[in-house]
Amino acid sequence: DAKTTQPPSMDCAEGRAANLPCNHSTISGNEYVYWYRQIHSQGPQYIIHGLKNNETNEMASLIITEDRKSSTLILPHATLRDTAVYYCIAGMIKAAGNKLTFGGGTRVLVKP
Amino acid sequence: DAGVTQSPTHLIKTRGQQVTLRCSPKSGHDTVSWYQQALGQGPQFIFQYYEEEERQRGNFPDRFSGHQFPNYSSELNVNALLLGDSALYLCASSTGLSQYFGPGTRLLVL
Repeated sequence: DAKTTQPPSMDCAEGRAANLPCNHSTISGNEYVYWYRQIHSQGPQYIIHGLKNNETNEMASLIITEDRKSSTLILPHATLRDTAVYYCIAGMIKAAGNKLTFGGGTRVLVKP
Repeated sequence: DAGVTQSPTHLIKTRGQQVTLRCSPKSGHDTVSWYQQALGQGPQFIFQYYEEEERQRGNFPDRFSGHQFPNYSSELNVNALLLGDSALYLCASSTGLSQYFGPGTRLLVL
Protein backbone atom coordinates (compact mmCIF):
# COMPACT_ATOMS: atom_id res chain seq x y z
CA ASP A 1 0.00 0.00 0.00
CA ALA A 2 1.15 3.52 -0.72
CA LYS A 3 1.96 5.71 2.27
CA THR A 4 -0.51 8.47 3.12
CA THR A 5 0.04 11.71 5.02
CA GLN A 6 -2.72 13.43 6.96
CA PRO A 7 -2.74 16.33 9.42
CA PRO A 8 -2.86 14.90 12.96
CA SER A 9 -5.83 16.99 14.00
CA MET A 10 -8.30 19.63 12.90
CA ASP A 11 -11.33 21.43 14.28
CA CYS A 12 -14.43 22.42 12.39
CA ALA A 13 -17.66 24.21 13.24
CA GLU A 14 -20.94 22.39 13.47
CA GLY A 15 -23.02 22.92 10.35
CA ARG A 16 -20.07 23.91 8.22
CA ALA A 17 -18.32 21.79 5.63
CA ALA A 18 -15.27 19.87 6.85
CA ASN A 19 -12.48 19.38 4.32
CA LEU A 20 -9.99 16.67 5.25
CA PRO A 21 -6.83 16.54 3.14
CA CYS A 22 -4.71 13.51 2.39
CA ASN A 23 -1.46 13.18 0.51
CA HIS A 24 -0.67 9.92 -1.29
CA SER A 25 2.04 10.91 -3.72
CA THR A 26 3.33 7.34 -4.20
CA ILE A 27 -0.03 5.80 -5.05
CA SER A 28 0.14 3.26 -7.84
CA GLY A 29 -2.20 3.09 -10.77
CA ASN A 30 -4.34 0.28 -9.44
CA GLU A 31 -4.64 1.51 -5.88
CA TYR A 32 -7.81 3.09 -4.61
CA VAL A 33 -8.21 5.85 -2.04
CA TYR A 34 -10.30 4.69 0.91
CA TRP A 35 -11.65 6.74 3.77
CA TYR A 36 -12.74 5.29 7.10
CA ARG A 37 -13.58 6.94 10.36
CA GLN A 38 -13.43 5.62 13.89
CA ILE A 39 -15.50 6.97 16.69
CA HIS A 40 -14.00 6.36 20.10
CA SER A 41 -13.43 2.65 20.80
CA GLN A 42 -15.69 1.49 17.96
CA GLY A 43 -14.69 -0.38 14.80
CA PRO A 44 -13.70 1.75 11.80
CA GLN A 45 -16.66 2.80 9.68
CA TYR A 46 -16.35 2.76 5.90
CA ILE A 47 -17.08 6.16 4.38
CA ILE A 48 -16.16 6.18 0.71
CA HIS A 49 -13.57 5.09 -1.82
CA GLY A 50 -12.47 6.13 -5.29
CA LEU A 51 -9.93 5.45 -8.00
CA LYS A 52 -9.65 8.63 -10.04
CA ASN A 53 -13.08 10.14 -10.41
CA ASN A 54 -14.74 12.19 -7.73
CA GLU A 55 -17.24 10.22 -5.70
CA THR A 56 -20.23 11.15 -3.57
CA ASN A 57 -22.49 9.17 -1.29
CA GLU A 58 -24.87 9.93 1.53
CA MET A 59 -22.03 10.45 3.98
CA ALA A 60 -19.41 12.42 2.11
CA SER A 61 -17.73 13.47 -1.10
CA LEU A 62 -14.27 12.44 -2.23
CA ILE A 63 -12.28 14.74 -4.47
CA ILE A 64 -9.16 13.20 -6.05
CA THR A 65 -6.68 15.38 -7.88
CA GLU A 66 -6.04 14.66 -11.53
CA ASP A 67 -2.52 13.35 -10.81
CA ARG A 68 -3.98 11.22 -7.97
CA LYS A 69 -1.31 12.37 -5.57
CA SER A 70 -3.76 13.85 -3.11
CA SER A 71 -7.41 13.83 -2.19
CA THR A 72 -9.90 15.62 0.02
CA LEU A 73 -12.78 14.15 1.96
CA ILE A 74 -15.64 16.58 2.35
CA LEU A 75 -18.27 16.27 5.04
CA PRO A 76 -20.84 18.75 3.73
CA HIS A 77 -22.56 19.70 6.98
CA ALA A 78 -20.55 18.54 9.96
CA THR A 79 -22.43 17.51 13.07
CA LEU A 80 -21.17 16.77 16.56
CA ARG A 81 -21.52 13.07 15.76
CA ASP A 82 -18.88 13.44 13.06
CA THR A 83 -16.23 13.89 15.74
CA ALA A 84 -13.90 10.96 15.09
CA VAL A 85 -10.50 9.90 13.78
CA TYR A 86 -10.55 9.85 9.98
CA TYR A 87 -8.20 7.52 8.12
CA CYS A 88 -7.16 7.94 4.52
CA ILE A 89 -5.74 4.77 2.97
CA ALA A 90 -4.27 4.12 -0.45
CA GLY A 91 -4.51 0.46 -1.28
CA MET A 92 -6.48 -2.29 -2.84
CA ILE A 93 -8.82 -4.92 -1.49
CA LYS A 94 -9.96 -6.18 -4.84
CA ALA A 95 -8.78 -9.70 -4.33
CA ALA A 96 -7.81 -11.98 -1.52
CA GLY A 97 -4.32 -11.23 -0.39
CA ASN A 98 -4.74 -7.47 -0.44
CA LYS A 99 -4.96 -5.45 2.74
CA LEU A 100 -5.40 -1.88 3.95
CA THR A 101 -2.57 -0.16 5.79
CA PHE A 102 -3.78 2.39 8.32
CA GLY A 103 -1.72 5.40 9.30
CA GLY A 104 -2.29 7.74 12.21
CA GLY A 105 -5.34 9.46 10.75
CA THR A 106 -6.74 12.93 11.44
CA ARG A 107 -8.50 13.54 14.71
CA VAL A 108 -11.48 15.75 13.83
CA LEU A 109 -13.29 17.69 16.52
CA VAL A 110 -16.58 19.26 15.54
CA LYS A 111 -17.38 22.18 17.80
CA PRO A 112 -20.80 23.72 18.44
CA ASP B 1 -28.69 -7.56 7.06
CA ALA B 2 -26.34 -7.99 9.99
CA GLY B 3 -22.96 -6.47 9.57
CA VAL B 4 -19.72 -7.93 10.83
CA THR B 5 -20.14 -9.36 14.31
CA GLN B 6 -17.46 -10.24 16.84
CA SER B 7 -17.44 -12.05 20.14
CA PRO B 8 -16.80 -11.54 22.93
CA THR B 9 -16.92 -7.74 23.26
CA HIS B 10 -14.50 -7.66 26.17
CA LEU B 11 -12.06 -10.16 27.60
CA ILE B 12 -9.59 -10.20 30.47
CA LYS B 13 -6.75 -12.72 30.51
CA THR B 14 -3.50 -13.17 32.37
CA ARG B 15 -0.02 -13.45 30.93
CA GLY B 16 0.76 -16.83 29.41
CA GLN B 17 -2.85 -17.74 28.76
CA GLN B 18 -4.41 -18.41 25.38
CA VAL B 19 -7.37 -16.61 23.85
CA THR B 20 -9.76 -17.22 20.95
CA LEU B 21 -11.71 -14.42 19.33
CA ARG B 22 -14.53 -14.99 16.88
CA CYS B 23 -15.86 -13.16 13.86
CA SER B 24 -18.85 -13.59 11.58
CA PRO B 25 -18.53 -11.72 8.30
CA LYS B 26 -21.13 -9.56 6.65
CA SER B 27 -23.54 -11.57 4.53
CA GLY B 28 -22.07 -12.30 1.11
CA HIS B 29 -18.48 -11.59 2.17
CA ASP B 30 -15.95 -14.38 1.74
CA THR B 31 -12.73 -12.76 2.96
CA VAL B 32 -11.91 -12.03 6.59
CA SER B 33 -9.05 -9.90 7.86
CA TRP B 34 -7.90 -9.35 11.42
CA TYR B 35 -6.33 -6.19 12.81
CA GLN B 36 -4.84 -5.23 16.15
CA GLN B 37 -5.30 -1.69 17.41
CA ALA B 38 -3.27 -0.51 20.37
CA LEU B 39 -4.52 2.50 22.31
CA GLY B 40 -3.98 5.73 20.37
CA GLN B 41 -2.76 4.03 17.21
CA GLY B 42 -4.26 2.99 13.89
CA PRO B 43 -5.23 -0.63 13.25
CA GLN B 44 -2.36 -2.93 12.31
CA PHE B 45 -2.98 -5.80 9.89
CA ILE B 46 -2.48 -9.27 11.38
CA PHE B 47 -3.61 -11.64 8.62
CA GLN B 48 -6.30 -12.39 6.09
CA TYR B 49 -8.25 -15.54 5.30
CA TYR B 50 -9.88 -16.51 2.05
CA GLU B 51 -11.14 -19.94 1.06
CA GLU B 52 -10.12 -21.22 4.50
CA GLU B 53 -6.47 -20.38 3.92
CA GLU B 54 -4.24 -17.64 5.26
CA ARG B 55 -3.53 -15.47 2.24
CA GLN B 56 -1.45 -12.65 3.66
CA ARG B 57 0.18 -11.93 6.98
CA GLY B 58 1.42 -8.81 8.67
CA ASN B 59 4.40 -8.48 10.99
CA PHE B 60 3.04 -10.58 13.85
CA PRO B 61 4.67 -13.59 15.54
CA ASP B 62 3.50 -17.17 15.18
CA ARG B 63 1.71 -16.85 18.53
CA PHE B 64 -1.02 -15.29 16.43
CA SER B 65 -2.89 -17.85 14.38
CA GLY B 66 -6.27 -18.10 12.78
CA HIS B 67 -8.81 -20.19 11.05
CA GLN B 68 -11.63 -19.72 8.59
CA PHE B 69 -14.59 -22.05 8.47
CA PRO B 70 -16.64 -23.15 5.43
CA ASN B 71 -19.33 -20.60 6.35
CA TYR B 72 -16.62 -17.87 6.11
CA SER B 73 -16.61 -17.15 9.84
CA SER B 74 -13.19 -16.89 11.41
CA GLU B 75 -11.27 -17.24 14.64
CA LEU B 76 -8.16 -15.48 15.87
CA ASN B 77 -6.06 -17.37 18.39
CA VAL B 78 -3.29 -15.85 20.45
CA ASN B 79 -1.05 -18.11 22.54
CA ALA B 80 1.26 -17.25 25.42
CA LEU B 81 -0.31 -13.86 25.96
CA LEU B 82 1.92 -10.90 26.75
CA LEU B 83 0.99 -7.64 28.41
CA GLY B 84 1.64 -5.96 25.06
CA ASP B 85 -1.14 -7.99 23.45
CA SER B 86 -3.68 -5.80 25.23
CA ALA B 87 -5.53 -4.08 22.41
CA LEU B 88 -8.73 -3.80 20.42
CA TYR B 89 -8.91 -6.67 17.95
CA LEU B 90 -10.85 -5.89 14.83
CA CYS B 91 -12.29 -8.21 12.26
CA ALA B 92 -13.09 -6.96 8.78
CA SER B 93 -14.86 -8.75 5.98
CA SER B 94 -14.72 -7.94 2.32
CA THR B 95 -15.69 -8.92 -1.15
CA GLY B 96 -14.86 -6.90 -4.20
CA LEU B 97 -13.74 -3.40 -3.31
CA SER B 98 -15.36 -2.77 0.05
CA GLN B 99 -14.15 -3.82 3.47
CA TYR B 100 -16.33 -3.49 6.55
CA PHE B 101 -15.23 -3.71 10.16
CA GLY B 102 -16.84 -5.25 13.19
CA PRO B 103 -17.11 -3.52 16.57
CA GLY B 104 -14.01 -5.24 17.88
CA THR B 105 -13.05 -7.28 20.91
CA ARG B 106 -11.17 -5.44 23.63
CA LEU B 107 -8.57 -7.71 25.20
CA LEU B 108 -6.87 -6.82 28.45
CA VAL B 109 -3.90 -8.91 29.53
CA LEU B 110 -2.94 -8.63 33.19
